[in-house]
Amino acid sequence: KAGVTQTPRYLIKTRGQQVTLSCSPISGHRSVSWYQQTPGQGLQFLFEYFSETQRNKGNFPGRFSGRQFSNSRSEMNVSTLELGDSALYLCASSLAPGRPYSYEQYFGPGTRLTVT
Amino acid sequence: DQQVKQNSPSLSVQEGRISILNCDYTNSMFDYFLWYKKYPAEGPTFLISISSIKDKNEDGRFTVFLNKSAKHLSLHIVPSQPGDSAVYFCAAPHNAGNMLTFGGGTRLMVKP
Repeated sequence: KAGVTQTPRYLIKTRGQQVTLSCSPISGHRSVSWYQQTPGQGLQFLFEYFSETQRNKGNFPGRFSGRQFSNSRSEMNVSTLELGDSALYLCASSLAPGRPYSYEQYFGPGTRLTVT
Repeated sequence: DQQVKQNSPSLSVQEGRISILNCDYTNSMFDYFLWYKKYPAEGPTFLISISSIKDKNEDGRFTVFLNKSAKHLSLHIVPSQPGDSAVYFCAAPHNAGNMLTFGGGTRLMVKP
């Protein structure tokens, strides 16, 4: 079974620009979560989607947004990029909430975003 | 408010010996815990989990112990292998969903 895929793997953007990152979950997984990893803040939860609806949102500004499509694929968008948005953005998929082992999230390789 | 803490940023162990990685939590509502391993430039890899109804879960060389009264869990790796060298994170889901809160990670170095 193929794992979680994320595209692109690397991105360089300029301050003020916007960026869209894509995630394809493991087949059969319907919940998708996004995390940001930085050296200073560690791994931080951004948001979680299930059935095209945002279920949870972390403590990030409104510049960070996401969505999920009917095939469970997800995208996240960051508008008006700041230098501090430089990070590894990780997508994770899991089974539908409430199912056994639904807490176990499987991560993709991440998208390394550099903002200059 | 760091609800999940890994107080040891690094740990060095000889190959073949036991590695013990520790994790403390403050939120008594946490009832499930996970351990992940992460190599540089890769996403975290799920290792093992434990429900709060258990105090031990074992999978091959990996065993996780949970002490609810102390709000403490630990991951034991026996025997340790050089390929185990990575950063290990403990995590707990909350908010009735998959909102994982991660500890800061412990870098394990297994020396041949």
